[in-house]
Amino acid sequence: EDKVVQSPLSLVVHEGDTVTLNCSYEVTNFRSLLWYKQEKKAPTFLFMLTSSGIEKKSGRLSSILDKKELFSILNITATQTGDSAVYLCAVGGMGTSYDKVIFGPGTSLSVIP
Amino acid sequence: NAGVTQTPKFQVLKTGQSMTLQCAQDMNHNSMYWYRQDPGMGLRLIYYSASEGTTDKGEVPNGYNVSRLNKREFSLRLESAAPSQTSVYFCASSVGLSRQTQYFGPGTRLLVL
Repeated sequence: EDKVVQSPLSLVVHEGDTVTLNCSYEVTNFRSLLWYKQEKKAPTFLFMLTSSGIEKKSGRLSSILDKKELFSILNITATQTGDSAVYLCAVGGMGTSYDKVIFGPGTSLSVIP
Repeated sequence: NAGVTQTPKFQVLKTGQSMTLQCAQDMNHNSMYWYRQDPGMGLRLIYYSASEGTTDKGEVPNGYNVSRLNKREFSLRLESAAPSQTSVYFCASSVGLSRQTQYFGPGTRLLVL
């Protein structure tokens, strides 16, 4: 059965800390791994990773994928209160008629001043 | 360019009542999706539409029906609401099924009493 596991499920840090969020997966016919940030409302897209070992960066956020060990990490350096959100990991797999996307439960990050 | 819009934002129903959640996108995307999000369970796919005129079941379709009215609009209907359908519902769209980056609407919070 396809599944995506995220850890930790919740995390509280102080502004300026660096955090690492983890995502492991078992998905048939893997195509891509996606990270989303969800604040009060809709998830917003952060990264899509398809190849192992290639780091994607956007400002203080970065992510890398290990397809051999079936996991990804999302790093946030010098955290700010605006980084407080739920971070969702999703994995896309190739199906017969639908390229399914399986979402993990999310990591709730709280950054306190 | 509004992206993905959903109505209503919030709804309270009594058990057995029916309602339709509306979703529209203005990005000329071919594929559209309905998810529900429950605490600790991530996003689960209810139904999807690969293109105008087609719809298919996702992971949790029971108790729901959908209509892809045209390329822009994809509605979700609850024929006889149950308390187990209390959730936050998100509509999403993507360029196509093979493009796994999805863009989400703001969500509809549904409470069934």
